[in-house]
Amino acid sequence: EAQVTQNPRYLITVTGKKLTVTCSQNMNHEYMSWYRQDPGLGLRQIYYSMNVEVTDKGDVPEGYKVSRKEKRNFPLILESPSPNQTSLYFCASSARRLHTGELFFGEGSRLTVL
Amino acid sequence: QQPVQSPQAVILREGEDAVINCSSSKALYSVHWYRQKHGEAPVFLMILLKGGEQKGHEKISASFNEKKQQSSLYLTASQLSYSGTYFCGTVQEEGTYKYIFGTGTRLKVLA
Repeated sequence: EAQVTQNPRYLITVTGKKLTVTCSQNMNHEYMSWYRQDPGLGLRQIYYSMNVEVTDKGDVPEGYKVSRKEKRNFPLILESPSPNQTSLYFCASSARRLHTGELFFGEGSRLTVL
Repeated sequence: QQPVQSPQAVILREGEDAVINCSSSKALYSVHWYRQKHGEAPVFLMILLKGGEQKGHEKISASFNEKKQQSSLYLTASQLSYSGTYFCGTVQEEGTYKYIFGTGTRLKVLA
């Protein structure tokens, strides 16, 4: 089954404790991206990647890192989480250039930073 | 800057029609539409491309006016399953793959 898998789905952590949210897709997609969703602010792009070793900032990259060492994986790293990073996070992938392709989303990861 | 959607929220009875608009301050090269149900991930509905080509998966139609930098989503004879939040999305600038979503429209269909 074609899917984008995120882990963990739910996480409560404390300020400053490094964490990684994994994202994996089994569709051989080139484009992968991360979004955060907050009430009243909608969905905002954090980082995206056009291919292996090619990443770039979205609208809200501060406090996050990403890497793309393999085509299927695109982990989101919070080196020193803070309470303002409490949010619902989505990973998404696309088969083609984004102008003509749809985004397939993972189920989301709800993160709480205390 | 986020594309602005209107209305912000709408309540319908089953069988009624609705139109959701997406307006951008920048040129639109393509527009995507997604629906998100509460607690779930967004699901792709439709993509509209420059030149009028339209691709979608459901019986929902849309229009794309490149000159006005606007897109509209038409929901005809709404069903209970249409309830959710609708987002338009677009690539912010040609030549980049920065993606931006609209402000969202909450739609509720009542029996």
